[in-house]
Amino acid sequence: SQTIHQWPATLVQPVGSPLSLECTVEGTSNPNLYWYRQAAGRGLQLLFYSVGIGQISSEVPQNLSASRPQDRQFILSSKKLLLSDSGFYLCAWSVRGGGNQPQHFGDGTRLSIL
Amino acid sequence: GEDVEQSLFLSVREGDSSVINCTYTDSSSTYLYWYKQEPGAGLQLLTYIFSNMDMKQDQRLTVLLNKKDKHLSLRIADTQTGDSAIYFCAASGGSYIPTFGRGTSLIVHP
Repeated sequence: SQTIHQWPATLVQPVGSPLSLECTVEGTSNPNLYWYRQAAGRGLQLLFYSVGIGQISSEVPQNLSASRPQDRQFILSSKKLLLSDSGFYLCAWSVRGGGNQPQHFGDGTRLSIL
Repeated sequence: GEDVEQSLFLSVREGDSSVINCTYTDSSSTYLYWYKQEPGAGLQLLTYIFSNMDMKQDQRLTVLLNKKDKHLSLRIADTQTGDSAIYFCAASGGSYIPTFGRGTSLIVHP
């Protein structure tokens, strides 16, 4: 069966520090991968998605970047964190090959910026 | 683009049925999903329905789709305190990126 892992689960970082959140998927090949942010208002904001290695699409201009160095690895990064980067970050995957496949989410990373 | 709307809160008594409603705007949406999010956790896929179906039942969960009105509902029978969570509706058309509603917080009272 397929599993998705995100780490760390919780992170507290000072303003201006760098960030690296990692997500890996097991049990499937060539997945679509996604990064979301969930703010206190509960809505999900799509940040990045990827349909293959090195292919990243950005949905919202911001202080963050994403990379996909391997087929089942998705990394969310920042060079300098802002207070507004606080939130709950969720990684998700779906089967590639046509639309309408459901997304499957990781357990999330709670990021607090001080 | 697609817009998905849900009421923000629903409060029910334990043992009663819960009905969570959702509306979407894009008539070409072909897959509609329900997710559950418990505190501090990710979203868990509960069920989904194709647009050519009117109803789907899975144990205590019943999904009803009114395609004409673009209205989706999730009914939870015999609601338990463990069902307390945020429930998200999502709609997907030809894209592989669904549009999510803001979530309905279900509060179950003993």
